[in-house]
Amino acid sequence: GNSVTQMEGPVTLSEEAFLTINCTYTATGYPSLFWYVQYPGEGLQLLLKATKADDKGSNKGFEATYRKETTSFHLEKGSVQVSDSAVYFCALSGWTGNQFYFGTGTSLTVIP
Amino acid sequence: DAEITQSPRHKITETGRQVTLACHQTWNHNNMFWYRQDLGHGLRLIHYSYGVQDTNKGEVSDGYSVSRSNTEDLPLTLESAASSQTSVYFCASRETGENSPLHFGNGTRLTVT
Repeated sequence: GNSVTQMEGPVTLSEEAFLTINCTYTATGYPSLFWYVQYPGEGLQLLLKATKADDKGSNKGFEATYRKETTSFHLEKGSVQVSDSAVYFCALSGWTGNQFYFGTGTSLTVIP
Repeated sequence: DAEITQSPRHKITETGRQVTLACHQTWNHNNMFWYRQDLGHGLRLIHYSYGVQDTNKGEVSDGYSVSRSNTEDLPLTLESAASSQTSVYFCASRETGENSPLHFGNGTRLTVT
């Protein structure tokens, strides 16, 4: 079946630090992979996506590369800001059906 | 811009009452979903619909129902609210196809007393 395993949080970083949030997946076929961000009191927003192996998704300084050989889609940012404080969700869209599979979310707090 | 609107944003109700949460999308998507979000459980799928008159149960459907009479709306009904249903509820929609992202509403925070 399909599933997503995401790095446990919470994560606390100082401003301008490097961020990595690990995400690995299990899937049949060739899923699409996504990162979502949730700010307090809001719904989830699409941050970036990758639809095939070796694709790199990027947005707002965040990047993630679809690694089929390691079944991973780790989120990275070179220099985090206080405004990046949020909960981050890794997700996949299965090869069949119309459902999404989410990780449990990683809470990030960036301190000045 | 297309969007998903959920109402109300906050709701307090008593145990045993029937409650309906509204979801309206202007994306013209066939696929709509209801999730609940709880600390320690992440997002859990309640019900989903692939089109008008189509509804399906998700992993935590007990005590909930949905109906789909048009493309835009998927209301979620709690038949007899229980304290275990205190949660934040999110509606989402997407186009058909594994590359299409989910678009979320801003959620309804429901408290059952």
